[in-house]
Amino acid sequence: GIQVEQSPPDLILQEGANSTLRCNFSDSVNNLQWFHQNPWGQLINLFYIPSGTKQNGRLSATTVATERYSLLYISSSQTTDSGVYFCAANDYKLSFGAGTTVTVRA
Amino acid sequence: KAGVTQTPRYLIKTRGQQVTLSCSPISGHRSVSWYQQTPGQGLQFLFEYFSETQRNKGNFPGRFSGRQFSNSRSEMNVSTLELGDSALYLCASSATSGASTDTQYFGPGTRLTVL
Repeated sequence: GIQVEQSPPDLILQEGANSTLRCNFSDSVNNLQWFHQNPWGQLINLFYIPSGTKQNGRLSATTVATERYSLLYISSSQTTDSGVYFCAANDYKLSFGAGTTVTVRA
Repeated sequence: KAGVTQTPRYLIKTRGQQVTLSCSPISGHRSVSWYQQTPGQGLQFLFEYFSETQRNKGNFPGRFSGRQFSNSRSEMNVSTLELGDSALYLCASSATSGASTDTQYFGPGTRLTVL
């Protein structure tokens, strides 16, 4: 199956800072998704982005499929951005990375 | 549209018992996938059902089973519970089979504790 690696494992930010999370995957993919896991455990869809760039408010994502990586950008971070961010790539199932734990301090 | 729903949200069982978890997908979605999340192993794929047929299966023992009904609702069953089965169980729905080219939407999860 596809191997997915995320970096960094932990990120501590001051409110208002910008950050970049990285996701590397081992094979070409048809599907790459970013999720934010809320404190209650639910995975919230952020982006479906097998290639290209998308933006949603203060979040944006870029996937370079030919180089097998994806980036998630958080701009002007807020305390509500805290949580674990996962990327997941597919073959016949979603293979998840280990996640990046983001802590935003006021 | 209502999102993916899972019941129950929390469950406490003892070793050796069995448990059944339920997942109702987004209306119109025919695929339901199940994932297990533990601190040690992260998020792992259990199985996927599409149109009442198991399409894919992850690397879990036979104690883990599932089924899907004609209304696309799915259940997963774990028999002879072990302490290591304590986990957050998440289900995901999508319109088409597999995670291939379709967005998967997750439910809130069922947190199972085995004592």
